[in-house]
Amino acid sequence: ETGVTQSPTHLIKTRGQQVTLRCSSQSGHNTVSWYQQALGQGPQFIFQYYREEENGRGNFPPRFSGLQFPNYSSELNVNALELDDSALYLCASQLDRKAGNTIYFGEGSWLTVV
Amino acid sequence: AQSVTQPDIHITVSEGASLELRCNYSYGATPYLFWYVQSPGQGLQLLLKYFSGDTLVQGIKGFEAEFKRSQSSFNLRKPSVHWSDAAEYFCAVGAGDYKLSFGAGTTVTVRA
Repeated sequence: ETGVTQSPTHLIKTRGQQVTLRCSSQSGHNTVSWYQQALGQGPQFIFQYYREEENGRGNFPPRFSGLQFPNYSSELNVNALELDDSALYLCASQLDRKAGNTIYFGEGSWLTVV
Repeated sequence: AQSVTQPDIHITVSEGASLELRCNYSYGATPYLFWYVQSPGQGLQLLLKYFSGDTLVQGIKGFEAEFKRSQSSFNLRKPSVHWSDAAEYFCAVGAGDYKLSFGAGTTVTVRA
């Protein structure tokens, strides 16, 4: 077990709607990242939060946003959902933002946009 | 920017046979290298990682990987596969920044 939990595990949304995915990191892990994994592909980095501030962002539009809370939980919000947003969304936590730290992944949230 | 190539999309191996999965990376300095495994419908589990030092890295479940700087490779090996090793395997590279870059993955099928 990685100690990283995500919710919900599966959900279906309609194009144009908004979605919030949640993650609970390991206790003490002040760095959380979110990845999108489309079917048949490797995970793609969305963004990282360090001590509640965005610390880096991948090639995703602003309608993808996030929050990190002091209790080691975090959220990924996606507005104006598009069909291509259908994917597995993975939360990853690490002790701090130092490169090379072991990154622990949750089991993901499957999002289907119809 | 760093990148990873996994040349083999799908590998089929007999139970008990050896397995080698290829990974090539692109990065200008010494990278941090990882292998993850993903079972169907599951998240990613870390098999092993290379940061520095000994270029032969031992991981969980009997896997090992060798970092070869001259070839920009980090191939994963297992001497004898079990049916439970059937899964998707991802190589990833991290650098001095904040993200991991993953390859497209290799699907491993184990036949009896």
